[in-house]
Amino acid sequence: DARVTQTPRHKVTEMGQEVTMRCQPILGHNTVFWYRQTMMQGLELLAYFRNRAPLDDSGMPKDRFSAEMPDATLATLKIQPSEPRDSAVYFCASGLGYRGQDEQYFGPGTRLTVT
Amino acid sequence: GDSVTQMEGPVTLSEEAFLTINCTYTATGYPSLFWYVQYPGEGLQLLLKATKADDKGSNKGFEATYRKETTSFHLEKGSVQVSDSAVYFCALSDLGSSNTGKLIFGQGTTLQVKP
Repeated sequence: DARVTQTPRHKVTEMGQEVTMRCQPILGHNTVFWYRQTMMQGLELLAYFRNRAPLDDSGMPKDRFSAEMPDATLATLKIQPSEPRDSAVYFCASGLGYRGQDEQYFGPGTRLTVT
Repeated sequence: GDSVTQMEGPVTLSEEAFLTINCTYTATGYPSLFWYVQYPGEGLQLLLKATKADDKGSNKGFEATYRKETTSFHLEKGSVQVSDSAVYFCALSDLGSSNTGKLIFGQGTTLQVKP
């Protein structure tokens, strides 16, 4: 069945390095969301897109995070430079985004550790 | 703004016990309501949903009824199993003015079921 895929599943990097996480939404879904999950903060919405256009990225630290959708089958979340406080699990989710069909489907996540 | 409040966890039950996880919400308009489940090391999965008042969502023995008068969507299961141990998230759709498909999540409730 159709699933959201994310790569890599795990990433360990040193502080100051660039990190790129990738997401392939379910084919036909027009909304894509990036979340971050930590024990302290829980689940936080970082950014989301509709039809590849960014709708809101107010949840992201602007100076180091960027999110893009180069095409309908790929969403990326980049951190440059990374910091230890960025250590978290990052989830991508996709959906149809309209009334009555507004559930989101989550990927398995990328577990990021910044040392 | 819209918000979701869940009962704090962890909730610890013995196998075959009755489960209730409380969820209340604040919203303008008539959002859809959801329960998601997150098993260890995985992403969130949609468990059930309800799109209008008095709707009952059900799946895998879990049920929740959309109660507009009490602004609640409590999750119930008659007999829990060890395999139900997970984190449960209540969520509502943020209709807003642009109907973006954004979801607002509660903080999550951890359920531990002991044999």
